[in-house]
Amino acid sequence: AQSVTQLDSQVPVFEEAPVELRCNYSSSVSVYLFWYVQYPNQGLQLLLKYLSGSTLVKGINGFEAEFNKSQTSFHLRKPSVHISDTAEYFCAVTEPSNTGKLIFGQGTTLQVKP
Amino acid sequence: EAEVAQSPRYKITEKSQAVAFWCDPISGHATLYWYRQILGQGPELLVQFQDESVVDDSQLPKDRFSAERLKGVDSTLKIQPAELGDSAMYLCASSLEAGGIYEQYFGPGTRLTVT
Repeated sequence: AQSVTQLDSQVPVFEEAPVELRCNYSSSVSVYLFWYVQYPNQGLQLLLKYLSGSTLVKGINGFEAEFNKSQTSFHLRKPSVHISDTAEYFCAVTEPSNTGKLIFGQGTTLQVKP
Repeated sequence: EAEVAQSPRYKITEKSQAVAFWCDPISGHATLYWYRQILGQGPELLVQFQDESVVDDSQLPKDRFSAERLKGVDSTLKIQPAELGDSAMYLCASSLEAGGIYEQYFGPGTRLTVT
């Protein structure tokens, strides 16, 4: 069965510093991978996705992620964070044949301090 | 920009009462999902529809939860009777299948508090 592990429940970082949010998945088949952001009391917004091709994918708001098949990881990075990036971030996985059902990680709270 | 609509945004109910949530997906999206998100956790799929048919309801507690999408457009999720453990955010999402890829768009959610 598929599963997603987000290795850090909380990541505090100062404004303008770089950040990496870690995500590992388990699956015996090829996968599609996603990162979503959730602001308080709101729904989820897609940041970026990996479907195939280049292992480095760029998303909205200056975020990027790198797919590493051998390490089954899909870590999210941003070179310089802003206060407005403070939110909950979720990594999710689905199998191409799985009609879109997403398996989510537990989430990582990014806290950007001034 | 088209969005997934959900109502109500917030609901407080007493245990043993019935409660219902409504979702209107993006126009033309055939696939609709209901997720439950317990505080501090990631969303978990409760039920998935393809048009008006249920594709996956393996995680839906069928003794108290029901979901319908009668005309293949909007959908209702019902809980009867509500229990304290049902307190959570209920998220609706919709997607359009393209080449085997279902990119999901989420609504703002309904925050349920059971007292």
